[in-house]
Amino acid sequence: EPEVTQTPSHQVTQMGQEVILRCVPISNHLYFYWYRQILGQKVEFLVSFYNNEISEKSEIFDDQFSVERPDGSNFTLKIRSTKLEDSAMYFCASIRDPEAFFGQGTRLTVV
Amino acid sequence: AQSVAQPEDQVNVAEGNPLTVKCTYSVSGNPYLFWYVQYPNRGLQFLLKYITGDNLVKGSYGFEAEFNKSQTSFHLKKPSALVSDSALYFCAVGSTLGRLYFGRGTQLTVWP
Repeated sequence: EPEVTQTPSHQVTQMGQEVILRCVPISNHLYFYWYRQILGQKVEFLVSFYNNEISEKSEIFDDQFSVERPDGSNFTLKIRSTKLEDSAMYFCASIRDPEAFFGQGTRLTVV
Repeated sequence: AQSVAQPEDQVNVAEGNPLTVKCTYSVSGNPYLFWYVQYPNRGLQFLLKYITGDNLVKGSYGFEAEFNKSQTSFHLKKPSALVSDSALYFCAVGSTLGRLYFGRGTQLTVWP
């Protein structure tokens, strides 16, 4: 069964550094999402992406965040200058309407 | 605005007993409802969904959920719990191609 894969599984970074989280969605899916889950809290929507542009973003997704699909397969989330409060699990999802298929997540730890 | 409530942070049941994990929702229009399960250090795994049709939905691993429009609920159930069912369960509501709104999650513990 096809699946969404995310790399790395765990990333530790210093505050203020840039990080790029990578996702390979299921091929032939066209809609992609990023969610995050701060430890012990609910899963929160960050951004949705369709046809190489952002279709919706939450209030969490500020100027420090960006997404792109540089090569038609990978779907990346970049955090320009990480803060301690960015520490969370980040999940990528690709959509076959209306079902979302999630990757295993990247645990980001900002120190 | 759309929202999901999972009123119980924890549910504990004995193996072999029936289990219920509660979920209520608030949505404008027709809801699309989902249950996902998360095992430790793993991603979100799809269990089942309600889009339209029969109110009783059957999913993976023997789970089922009943859509109740009047009570705006979508409780997850299983007739006989297994220790391996112990995990974090998330209810979510969404609309076509829209984002999913997740509940806070319910930790299910099934003891032998």
